[in-house]
Amino acid sequence: DAGVIQSPRHEVTEMGQEVTLRCKPISGHDYLFWYRQTMMRGLELLIYFNNNVPIDDSGMPEDRFSAKMPNASFSTLKIQPSEPRDSAVYFCASSLRLLSGANVLTFGAGSRLTVL
Amino acid sequence: AQSVTQLDSQVPVFEEAPVELRCNYSSSVSVYLFWYVQYPNQGLQLLLKYLSGSTLVKGINGFEAEFNKSQTSFHLRKPSVHISDTAEYFCAVSALYSTLTFGKGTMLLVSP
Repeated sequence: DAGVIQSPRHEVTEMGQEVTLRCKPISGHDYLFWYRQTMMRGLELLIYFNNNVPIDDSGMPEDRFSAKMPNASFSTLKIQPSEPRDSAVYFCASSLRLLSGANVLTFGAGSRLTVL
Repeated sequence: AQSVTQLDSQVPVFEEAPVELRCNYSSSVSVYLFWYVQYPNQGLQLLLKYLSGSTLVKGINGFEAEFNKSQTSFHLRKPSVHISDTAEYFCAVSALYSTLTFGKGTMLLVSP
């Protein structure tokens, strides 16, 4: 398996522009997570899906952020309009819940976003 | 809710020396515990996990961790580190059917 695939790896954009980050989870995994990593706040869970349905989006910072999962093999995180404080590394992770009830996450390589 | 405290933000160590990275957690219910490693400009990679059973867990790259329920700790150890172990290490906790909560991370700096 190729693992969790994220694109783009790097994105530089100007304030006010729309940004779309993409994620392809591992085939067969039924959970998908979006995290944001910054120096100040560490790793923050933004939203997660189970079987393509958003379960908890309480970590999404503002209405400017939205996430979709139209099918089991694709998810997007969109920021519109982007602001400099959105600059961070955004990670996608997927998992298959074990019988024990634990989720063991596999992370993608991340998308580094810089908003000027 | 669960929380994780990684007591050291940075741990400098010489090559071939032993290392321990500390992790304490807080939870009112039974937990699952994880250590992830992040190399520069990469995603997080699972080092090891404790789900149940033996409290001593062995992971990849010679790392191991011990679950101590009474001290609510899950410290990561390696008897002899290499330069290539230089990375950031994250401890994480989850409860049954809950999401992962990560610590702030510990930067392991291995020098020759």
